[in-house]
Amino acid sequence: GAVVSQHPSWVICKSGTSVKIECRSLDFQATTMFWYRQFPKQSLMLMATSNEGSKATYEQGVEKDKFLINHASLTLSTLTVTSAHPEDSSFYICSARSSVRANYGYTFGSGTRLTVV
Amino acid sequence: GENVEQHPSTLSVQEGDSAVIKCTYSDSASNYFPWYKQELGKRPQLIIDIRSNVGEKKDQRIAVTLNKTAKHFSLHITETQPEDSAVYFCAASIGNTGNQFYFGTGTSLTVIP
Repeated sequence: GAVVSQHPSWVICKSGTSVKIECRSLDFQATTMFWYRQFPKQSLMLMATSNEGSKATYEQGVEKDKFLINHASLTLSTLTVTSAHPEDSSFYICSARSSVRANYGYTFGSGTRLTVV
Repeated sequence: GENVEQHPSTLSVQEGDSAVIKCTYSDSASNYFPWYKQELGKRPQLIIDIRSNVGEKKDQRIAVTLNKTAKHFSLHITETQPEDSAVYFCAASIGNTGNQFYFGTGTSLTVIP
């Protein structure tokens, strides 16, 4: 159990366009999901906490108007990178944990490699 | 917020030797400490975790120790194998329900056959 699906796995977009990344918990419900960004050979940096039915909580330095998060259901959170620029190119990864079966721990999605050209 | 430091950043060991990775944290309220293994281009995988009410936990060749007073915890891998080569991240979290992780900077472990 505790499978998290992330889509797409990779995407290339032009500067100025927007990209949506989906994070789905396949076999459990998650009231909270987390979005991380990872640059090459660096650690995972928490961007925001996605809360079902309410506004996301952003970490300091993360632009909420640029990185739009929507957690409309207990199994889906989306991250939209708006007006993407080359410096937004990175590996984006989500994580979630069952709201009920806490012992399963946190599971990461497979990640999305975004390249902005 | 929480600040997690991790050392060393790179580590090379001979196959069969032990590897130790250390992390410190700043927030005394942190009470959950997982360790993740990440292979190139893949998602992090949980390999072991420890809660603040336990000082040590072991799972086959992997063990984690926690010193709450000093606010540091360590990952120990014994009898290392080439497939242990990966980047390892420690993390700290407060609480058990839906709280975010703060990750260490990572350790790139290379096991030399």
